[in-house]
Amino acid sequence: EAGVAQSPRYKIIEKRQSVAFWCNPISGHATLYWYQQILGQGPKLLIQFQNNGVVDDSQLPKDRFSAERLKGVDSTLKIQPAKLEDSAVYLCASSLAVRSDSPLHFGNGTRLTVT
Amino acid sequence: QQQVKQSPQSLIVQKGGISIINCAYENTAFDYFPWYQQFPGKGPALLIAIRPDVSEKKEGRFTISFNKSAKQFSLHIMDSQPGDSATYFCAPTIGGQGAQKLVFGQGTRLTINP
Repeated sequence: EAGVAQSPRYKIIEKRQSVAFWCNPISGHATLYWYQQILGQGPKLLIQFQNNGVVDDSQLPKDRFSAERLKGVDSTLKIQPAKLEDSAVYLCASSLAVRSDSPLHFGNGTRLTVT
Repeated sequence: QQQVKQSPQSLIVQKGGISIINCAYENTAFDYFPWYQQFPGKGPALLIAIRPDVSEKKEGRFTISFNKSAKQFSLHIMDSQPGDSATYFCAPTIGGQGAQKLVFGQGTRLTINP
């Protein structure tokens, strides 16, 4: 099966600019996640979708971050305006079900550098 | 309440040796205990996982040991190979109620010397 696709692979922007990331999950996976991974740390959940509805966005900085999942398939994550501390890898993942034993399948991420 | 502590932060093992990584958690609501493996430039991938009603699970050279009373689980890699060099994350999980929540540890960077 095709894996989780993410683009772009790398992005460099200046602070206060905006940026958007795109994710296409594995076909048939209803659950989609966006994680932020700062260098040397574990992934931190930003937002979780079940189909096109949000089930957890408690750690999403809503004053600058937004995400949508139109038609329950592709998703975009946007940052506006970016701050230096947003420099990280943004990982998208999908899973078939919301059961604990349903593994997450990650894309290779977008590495964002904010200067 | 959902704090997860992983140790060590980094580990160097000789080829053929045993690598051991530990994970301690606080939240007793976790009901699934996976380890994810991440290579540079890649996303994490599920390596092995265990349910809380089992004390040990083995898949090839990889074994999870689970101690429910101590709220700890560990990853053992037998006959470690250079290709095992990666960062490993424990990610205890809570499922149900429409949301599956993983809490990732800080990660352990494992280096296997040839």
